[in-house]
Order: sequence, then structure tokens, then C-alpha cells
Amino acid sequence: SQQGEEDPQALSIQEGENATMNCSYKTSINNLQWYRQNSGRGLVHLILIRSNEREKHSGRLRVTLDTSKKSSSLLITASRAADTASYFCATTYGGSQGNLIFGKGTKLSVKP
Amino acid sequence: DGGITQSPKYLFRKEGQNVTLSCEQNLNHDAMYWYRQDPGQGLRLIYYSQIVNDFQKGDIAEGYSVSREKKESFPLTVTSAQKNPTAFYLCASRKRGGPGETQYFGPGTRLLVL
Repeated sequence: SQQGEEDPQALSIQEGENATMNCSYKTSINNLQWYRQNSGRGLVHLILIRSNEREKHSGRLRVTLDTSKKSSSLLITASRAADTASYFCATTYGGSQGNLIFGKGTKLSVKP
Repeated sequence: DGGITQSPKYLFRKEGQNVTLSCEQNLNHDAMYWYRQDPGQGLRLIYYSQIVNDFQKGDIAEGYSVSREKKESFPLTVTSAQKNPTAFYLCASRKRGGPGETQYFGPGTRLLVL
């Protein structure tokens, strides 16, 4: 069963613009992670935010978590053509034994 | 050079045939996972193993089987009972020691039906 739902499903922007992707989930979580997938490749971990954290930064990435709304957002600033990929949120919760529950992803296209 | 390898990159299956996808890791991770990804979709968990000689069914285990005889290896067999096997298969591993540590993914195997 898929816990997370990303929004939008697809996003197209120009190089240099910021990209914001949102993720909503259903049950209380231990943490939420964001992964990136280039076309036809495996997933790469980007960032993890724990349920007691509200915001986290890593380079050009900024993640926020609102547990009251059961939602998270991923902001990529000053986007580059190389950021073109699909982005997935994934959650773990108390009964998941550390297993990740993935959303369907946002497909980001950054035009040069 | 640590990581997860999957082979083959592409695999073709004939009707009624069982095929096995390989997944090997040298990260010394305890837990390993198999996911299926259909076009435009997220990942769905097929099987997972938290420790050698033990594995559990995920959300879509029907038509698949696994083994975990060695810590480094977690092969997935797609049996003839899996009627719609065409998909992208991803293997991942995780170091145990607390909930939700990062999973590390292999490059994937694309399975196609002839």
C-alpha cells in the first residue's frame, strides 16, 4: 500500500528557477525521506527528516515537515538541467519494521 | 568500491519460464529488499530480509520467491505464476540499528516478456 502522495505529478521549469514538490501521507511517521531517480536508474537518497524536526537543509535542498498536516515539501533552489529526474518521498512508521512506504513521485523537468 | 550490484540489466522471459534476478551488496548491510516499479509509479515492496536465512513477504509477493543464504546476496525468482512480470526491479539494502535509515539501491533490472 502506498502511504505518500506527491504533488504535482509532473513539473516543468526553466534552469535557475526554484522547484517545489509536496508529499502528503496518511499515518503518523518516524521519519520521512526524499529520494531521486534518474530515468531508468536506481534511487539515490537525498535527505531524511525525523518526525520531531520541522526543517532541514542540504546544499540546494530544503525539506520541511508539518506533522499536523501530515505533509512535507522538497524545495530545490536554483535548479539545473542535471536536476531533471523523478523525486519520491518515503516514510517509515511504528509498525513498518524500518520498511519504506513510497509515494508515486514527481517528475521534474528542468529546461536549459 | 562498495555498493549494490544487480544483474542482468535486461532480462527476457518466455511464457512459463522462471527467471532469477541477482542482487549482491558489499556494504555489510543486514537488511535487503526487492521492489517492483511500473511505469509512472512508485515502488512496491515484493520481499524483504532483515537477517540471513530469514525473509518476509511484502505487499506484492505472489508469483515471486527469494532466498537469503548469504548476507551479501538476495536473489529474486520471478516464477511462471507471476502473470504480469514486465517491470523494473530494484534491490536495496539497509544497515539495521534503528528505524528508517537510508536504503541504498542497485541500478535495477528491467524484465521483459517475449
